[in-house]
Amino acid sequence: QAALTQPASVSGSPGQSITISCTGTTSDVGAYKYVSWYQQHPGKAPKVMIYDVSNRPSGVSNRFSGSKSGNTASLTISGLQAEDEADYYCTSYTSSGTYVFGTGTKVTVL
Amino acid sequence: QVQLQESGPGLVKPSETLSLTCTVSYGSINAYYWGWIRQPPGKGLEWIGYISYTGATSYNPSLKSRVTISLDTPNNRFSLRLISVTTADTAVYYCVRVVTGTSNYDYWGQGTLVTVSS
Repeated sequence: QAALTQPASVSGSPGQSITISCTGTTSDVGAYKYVSWYQQHPGKAPKVMIYDVSNRPSGVSNRFSGSKSGNTASLTISGLQAEDEADYYCTSYTSSGTYVFGTGTKVTVL
Repeated sequence: QVQLQESGPGLVKPSETLSLTCTVSYGSINAYYWGWIRQPPGKGLEWIGYISYTGATSYNPSLKSRVTISLDTPNNRFSLRLISVTTADTAVYYCVRVVTGTSNYDYWGQGTLVTVSS
C-alpha cells in the first residue's frame, strides 16, 4: 500500500493559519471517514490531534481542525504558536482493512 | 490514565526474530484494538498492524508474511513478533490503543528502539 502524500514542509508566522494536505486514493482517504492526524515532537511519541476526519479529542486545542474533500484530507492550524512546531502525520483506513500513514510534514513557526 | 509500556530486546541479529511486549496499565484490554507502529531513525511512521479484543488481526501487506500480533488478556498485554529481520527493520517501535470503530489511536507507548545488527 502506498503512503499517503503530504507536503514535506509547511511554515507560517505566529498567529497565522496553515493547512497541511494529505492525498490518497479512492481506496483509502476518498472512501472512508477514518482519517486521523498526529503531532510528533522530536524524541516523543505521536499524539492524536484529529480523528474520523474532523473530530477533536478532549484536551486538544480548538485551533486544530480537520476536513476532507474527495481523496484529500486537510489539517488546519489557526493562530499558529511556537509549540505547534513539530512533525504531523495523517493516516487513513484502507479498503484492505488496514491503515496507511502519510509521508509526514514538518511544520516550522517562523 | 491508561499507560502503555513496550519491553523487549534492543538488539536483534539479522535473520532472527524480533519480539516485543506491550503492557497495558490502568485500563482493560477489552473493547479496544491494540496495535504496533514503527519509525525508522529519521523517517516517517509505518503501520504494522493491530489486533481486536476478540483476537481478529490485520497486518500491513508488506509485512504480513513475517508478522504476528497476539493478545494475552489475563495479563493485560499484547505482543509483536517479526521473523527473519534485516537491518531495514531497525526502528523505534510504538504500541498503541485504538478506539473501536474509529481512527482514534488515543494512547501510545513511549517507544522502544530495536536495532538489527550482527
